[in-house]
Amino acid sequence: ETGVTQTPRHLVMGMTNKKSLKCEQHLGHNAMYWYKQSAKKPLELMFVYSLEERVENNSVPSRFSPECPNSSHLFLHLHTLQPEDSALYLCASSQLIQGPPFFGPGTRLTVL
Amino acid sequence: SQQGEEDPQALSIQEGENATMNCSYKTSINNLQWYRQNSGRGLVHLILIRSNEREKHSGRLRVTLDTSKKSSSLLITASRAADTASYFCATVRNSGNTPLVFGKGTRLSVIA
Repeated sequence: ETGVTQTPRHLVMGMTNKKSLKCEQHLGHNAMYWYKQSAKKPLELMFVYSLEERVENNSVPSRFSPECPNSSHLFLHLHTLQPEDSALYLCASSQLIQGPPFFGPGTRLTVL
Repeated sequence: SQQGEEDPQALSIQEGENATMNCSYKTSINNLQWYRQNSGRGLVHLILIRSNEREKHSGRLRVTLDTSKKSSSLLITASRAADTASYFCATVRNSGNTPLVFGKGTRLSVIA
């Protein structure tokens, strides 16, 4: 256990559904991240929050909407996704943005 | 792109042998980190080496860094079947407050 939990662990959704991924860290960190991991591709950084403010958004489509209500929680709201969005979505946190992130177990998302 | 590139993409060895994985990157860095990922799970931080360090050890792991060649290597000695996983290098740029950028990883298979 790394101190970062993600729910749900698996999610299957249709293209018209709206769902949310949740991440919680119990490490007292002040930076949180969403990464996307697709087959045979490098891990892609999607969003970075530092002190609850978004500091990076790597050209992610608007059908992915992050929310960071406090330093311990991070959400990724999903709506009208495409099949190519199927991937493992990993949440991570770190004490500083340059510090080593601790990863959660990921949510395996399948879009039908 | 600053992301690290691991080499080889896949490596298969017998239990007890040593495994060496390499990583190359493009820009000057603050530090370089190695991670392990078991199939479909989150990433686990293994070791961090700073730009002013040349070698670091942690248990059966040995990491080297050559900033003149912009490359790093991860050596796992006396490998075990449990070492079977994907291994990623990740770099933090020398300038700015930027998060990690990951490579595509090396898939290591240790055969018992």
